[in-house]
Amino acid sequence: AQSVSQHNHHVILSEAASLELGCNYSYGGTVNLFWYVQYPGQHLQLLLKYFSGDPLVKGIKGFEAEFIKSKFSFNLRKPSVQWSDTAEYFCVKWNTGKLIFGQGTTLQVKP
Amino acid sequence: DTGVSQNPRHKITKRGQNVTFRCDPISEHNRLYWYRQTLGQGPEFLTYFQNEAQLEKSRLLSDRFSAERPKGSFSTLEIQRTEQGDSAMYLCASSGGTSDGEQFFGPGTRLTVL
Repeated sequence: AQSVSQHNHHVILSEAASLELGCNYSYGGTVNLFWYVQYPGQHLQLLLKYFSGDPLVKGIKGFEAEFIKSKFSFNLRKPSVQWSDTAEYFCVKWNTGKLIFGQGTTLQVKP
Repeated sequence: DTGVSQNPRHKITKRGQNVTFRCDPISEHNRLYWYRQTLGQGPEFLTYFQNEAQLEKSRLLSDRFSAERPKGSFSTLEIQRTEQGDSAMYLCASSGGTSDGEQFFGPGTRLTVL
């Protein structure tokens, strides 16, 4: 069965710190990958996506992710986090019509 | 608001009762999905429709669960004889039917079974 694994369940950072959230996905099928974010009290929304091409993908709000095929990884990065980045982040793989979510990482940014 | 909407937002019920949730997708989207999310976990796929056809159901979807999308627009998810283990957030999403996979999520219905 397809699966997605996120390395960190809960991350606490101070403002301006750099962020990297690890994600590994299982082998097989089409490699369409996403990061979704859920801000407190809001819907899940798309942060960025990778289908093919340049393995460094840029998303909204200064986030980027790097697809490394040999490592089955799709890590999320941001050079300098802000308090408003406090949210839950999900690494997601598309699999024949449905999305496979990782368990999520809660990011808390201290002002 | 042209996003995905779900009703009700919260539902508290007693074990053994039946509940029904509704999802209204983005109007031009032909695919509609249901997911379930429990505390500390990512959403898990339940089922999806393309227009009115239910194309796939997860093994998570027991016989007590049924979903419909009768006219290819809104969808309902019914849970019969609810159990405490059914307590979760039920999320609906829709997409435009392309293969790129981006799905737009609604706010969810939080079900509590007492």
